[in-house]
Amino acid sequence: QKEVEQNSGPLSVPEGAIASLNCTYSDRGSQSFFWYRQYSGKSPELIMSIYSNGDKEDGRFTAQLNKASQYVSLLIRDSQPSDSATYLCAPGERNYGGSQGNLIFGKGTKLSVKP
Amino acid sequence: KAGVTQTPRYLIKTRGQQVTLSCSPISGHRSVSWYQQTPGQGLQFLFEYFSETQRNKGNFPGRFSGRQFSNSRSEMNVSTLELGDSALYLCASSPPGQGTDTQYFGPGTRLTVL
Repeated sequence: QKEVEQNSGPLSVPEGAIASLNCTYSDRGSQSFFWYRQYSGKSPELIMSIYSNGDKEDGRFTAQLNKASQYVSLLIRDSQPSDSATYLCAPGERNYGGSQGNLIFGKGTKLSVKP
Repeated sequence: KAGVTQTPRYLIKTRGQQVTLSCSPISGHRSVSWYQQTPGQGLQFLFEYFSETQRNKGNFPGRFSGRQFSNSRSEMNVSTLELGDSALYLCASSPPGQGTDTQYFGPGTRLTVL
């Protein structure tokens, strides 16, 4: 049974702060890692993907991956109230270029950014 | 380009009935996946179809089934509905080819079983 663990939160941070979201996974065979954002009442949308150990930055978002520790995180710098949402972590079994249509999602961390 | 569409958006059924949900992927996308989302279990993978073939299946009972048509549209069916099947059912499509690592989710069908 593949498991993905996330702190359910809510994680509350003040506007302008760094929000740190964490995720651990059980499947050592996972090759790809995704962070999805889901606003209340909306569908998930992909915000970051990472395939190699280390950091990957995209704007205010940084994903960090440590396959040895089976750990992936998402940092959101200069958090804005519009970042308030649930963030879902999803390891994938296929490497870059493979269709990622069977993701196992964590239950998500609810982030609240206070003005 | 139009996004993923799902019909109906809302559905109310009673226990024991069956239901069929429909998903039209983004034009050109051939992979369609279905997920169930509940407050308690989160987002859970149901199955994935590619070129009319089921490519992967999640850990759901056989009451849950699906199919994909030659135009990539997909349907999922739930027979003998149970109260616990009340959930948001999300469909997602993926583009073909190399370097694609994202799924585009539809708005979902909210199923309520009474």
